[in-house]
Parts: sequence; C-alpha cells; structure tokens
Amino acid sequence: DSGVTQTPKHLITATGQRVTLRCSPRSGDLSVYWYQQSLDQGLQFLIQYYNGEERAKGNILERFSAQQFPDLHSELNLSSLELGDSALYFCASSVEGGTYEQYFGPGTRLTVT
Amino acid sequence: AQSVTQLDSQVPVFEEAPVELRCNYSSSVSVYLFWYVQYPNQGLQLLLKYLSGSTLVKGINGFEAEFNKSQTSFHLRKPSVHISDTAEYFCAVKGPNFGNEKLTFGTGTRLTIIP
Repeated sequence: DSGVTQTPKHLITATGQRVTLRCSPRSGDLSVYWYQQSLDQGLQFLIQYYNGEERAKGNILERFSAQQFPDLHSELNLSSLELGDSALYFCASSVEGGTYEQYFGPGTRLTVT
Repeated sequence: AQSVTQLDSQVPVFEEAPVELRCNYSSSVSVYLFWYVQYPNQGLQLLLKYLSGSTLVKGINGFEAEFNKSQTSFHLRKPSVHISDTAEYFCAVKGPNFGNEKLTFGTGTRLTIIP
C-alpha cells in the first residue's frame, strides 16, 4: 500500500459525459501528478500540482482539467468524453525537495461506451 | 526533453534463471533514472532509482540496475527469478529541473516466468 488513494476504482460512462476522478496523496506529500495509461499511448504524464498550484503540464487535452485543494487532495475532471479516453488514470504523490520518488495510487479504470 | 526506449516488449524466462531487462534513455542533460513494476491490476511500485553516486543500484525483491552514462543505459537485472516476478516493468527518466518532477516512461517490458 503506497498511501495514495484514488476513487472510484472503476468508472463506466457514455460518450459526451463528464466525470471526476479523485486522489488523496500520502500524508505530508505536497506534489500530486496525474498519468494516463492506455494500450496505444502507454504511460503519459498529464499534469502536476504542488501545494495547490499547477507546476507542470504534459499531454493533457483541453477537455481535461485538474485542481489541487487546500487539503492537498486533487481532482481530475474529464469532459465531453470520447471512446479514446478509456484508460487507467493514475495519481502519484511525492515530497518536494531532496527526493524524487513518486508513490502511485492503484488507479481509476475509466471505460467510455 | 528526455525519452526512454525499452527494446523488449516481452521477455519469457524460466524460473530460477537470470534476467536482464534493457532500458536506454536519451537526454541532453543529466537525468535521474527509475524502474517501476506493475503487477496485474495494481498501480506502479518503485523497484529502484539512480540519482547520483554508485552506478550499481540495488532495489527491492533482489533486483539491481547499472547506470552506464557512455551507453546511456540503465538495464535491470536479477540473478534468479521467481514466479512472483511475473509483471510489467517500466523504465522511467526525469530531468534535473527542480519542481518539474514529471516522469517519462518507456513502453514497458512484460516479464513472464515459465515454471
């Protein structure tokens, strides 16, 4: 158990819908990262937040957005869903400064039908 | 920008035999290197990491990796594998920019242990 929690574990929804994925980082970790894992794209970095502020952006679609709240949990919002958005979405967290280890949550499997 | 190449998508190995999973990276600056393991239906777990210092890095579950700067490689090895090592293994790289900690992953190597 990495200490990172993600809900829900599974999500099935229809095209055009909007969903929210939630992540709680390890206690004390200030940075949260979102990754997407799909068969055709592999593991791709989406976005990083540090203490509530966006720190880095990767291959994140405009239909996707994220935020980190004052209690440090993070949410990834996916809207106007397409079949191709079906994937495993991972959240990871790390302590800022002096260590580069990211701890991954168990992931949320999103299926768009 | 950094990139990672894992040349072998699948590696079958007999139980108790040694294994090497290959990873090559590309970067114009110094990097930090990682190996993660993903067991079926689970998240990623860090096996080992290279930040600096000794080029031979030891990790969990008996795995080790050697950083070779001249060959830009970070191959993962285990002298004797077990059935429980069946999983997908990902090599990842991170650049030195403080505050931008994103990991760039390879495409993964599926390790299958044959009894």
